[in-house]
Parts: sequence; structure tokens; C-alpha cells
Amino acid sequence: RKEVEQDPGPFNVPEGATVAFNCTYSNSASQSFFWYRQDCRKEPKLLMSVYSSGNEDGRFTAQLNRASQYISLLIRDSKLSDSATYLCVVTSPNGNKLVFGAGTILRVKS
Amino acid sequence: DAEITQSPRHKITETGRQVTLACHQTWNHNNMFWYRQDLGHGLRLIHYSYGVQDTNKGEVSDGYSVSRSNTEDLPLTLESAASSQTSVYFCASSEPGQPQYFGPGTRLTVL
Repeated sequence: RKEVEQDPGPFNVPEGATVAFNCTYSNSASQSFFWYRQDCRKEPKLLMSVYSSGNEDGRFTAQLNRASQYISLLIRDSKLSDSATYLCVVTSPNGNKLVFGAGTILRVKS
Repeated sequence: DAEITQSPRHKITETGRQVTLACHQTWNHNNMFWYRQDLGHGLRLIHYSYGVQDTNKGEVSDGYSVSRSNTEDLPLTLESAASSQTSVYFCASSEPGQPQYFGPGTRLTVL
């Protein structure tokens, strides 16, 4: 079983749609959780951290369920510029290394 | 502004040659990492360092080496390049428990 699993997609959605990505992780000792965004042929960039209480940043909402070892990302009012690959990331138990999911592809179309 | 840079951005080399990819960060981060990214595999950790003189193997370290002589730099060396090492290589840095910041990547082709 992979340490971090994501639905690879692609998710094809119209502008303005709401889309949700899910991710599961296998190591219950993981301490920190993040969503990264990666545009084609570019480096991954931090989108947001994920906190146990859930957190929101504009149109983006991230949630964590430690009991189910499940992380989600919700994007509201999708824009063309949201088209990218979204990477679910968890830290190793000591907090020093990151473990990446393979990514979920989002395509927003006009 | 603090940043992380990689050089070269593109490299074409021949099988059997030694290649070194440079990574330089001005964040003053203790932790530095090298990844490779291939279609269907996502990001895979090659080597990492938690500080000067510290290096550790990641999940795909065979054929690669690193050294950490100062805080800012973690060069990645391919001792004898193989076609299977054709990939995009990303360097990253962070403080413990914090998100990693990535360089722009090096696209390496081994012919």
C-alpha cells in the first residue's frame, strides 16, 4: 500500500464549479499535512497547510480526519487558473521528511 | 528575498559520464532534499541532509551521492549516468516540521 494515496483524476470541471479532492495516508504517526500545487513542468508550491480543526484560505478549504487518516481539499468557484496537479503531502513521524502523493489533476474549462 | 536555485536548468549528457547538479538556498534552512519526478511515480526522495556534514539515503539513492559542506549547498552527483536517470530533479529545503520550498528543477537527459 502506498503511504499517501490520491485519486489521479483527471477532474474536468467547468468554471465556477466546486470540486473536492481526497487523500488517505497510512502512517498514523504523521504529524503535519499539506496540499501543494504543481503546474506543468514547474516546481511544487505550497498551497496550504492542513490543520485538525480544518482551515480555509479564500476559495480553498482543507480538512483532516486523523481517525480515518483522511485529508481533503475543496475548491469553490473554480477558475481557469486553478488547473494544475494537486499533491497531498504528509510528514514523516519525526517531522523532517515529506511523503508525497502522486497527485490529482484538475482541469477547469470555460 | 530568500530563495532556492538550481543549476543547470537543462542538461544533456552521455551514459557513463559523471554529472553534478547544484542546489543553493539562502533561507538558512538546516534540511535539504533531492527528489526526482517521473511520469507515473510522482516525487521520489533521492538523498537528504539535516545539516552540515549530515547526509542520508532516500528511497531511490542508488547511483547518486550528495555532500553537505555548508548550510547553503547540497550538490547531487550522478557517479556514472544511466538512461534510467533521465528525469526532472528538484531540490528543496525546510526547517524541521515545516513545509518544504522547492527550486525550479533541472531537466536531465542521459543519452
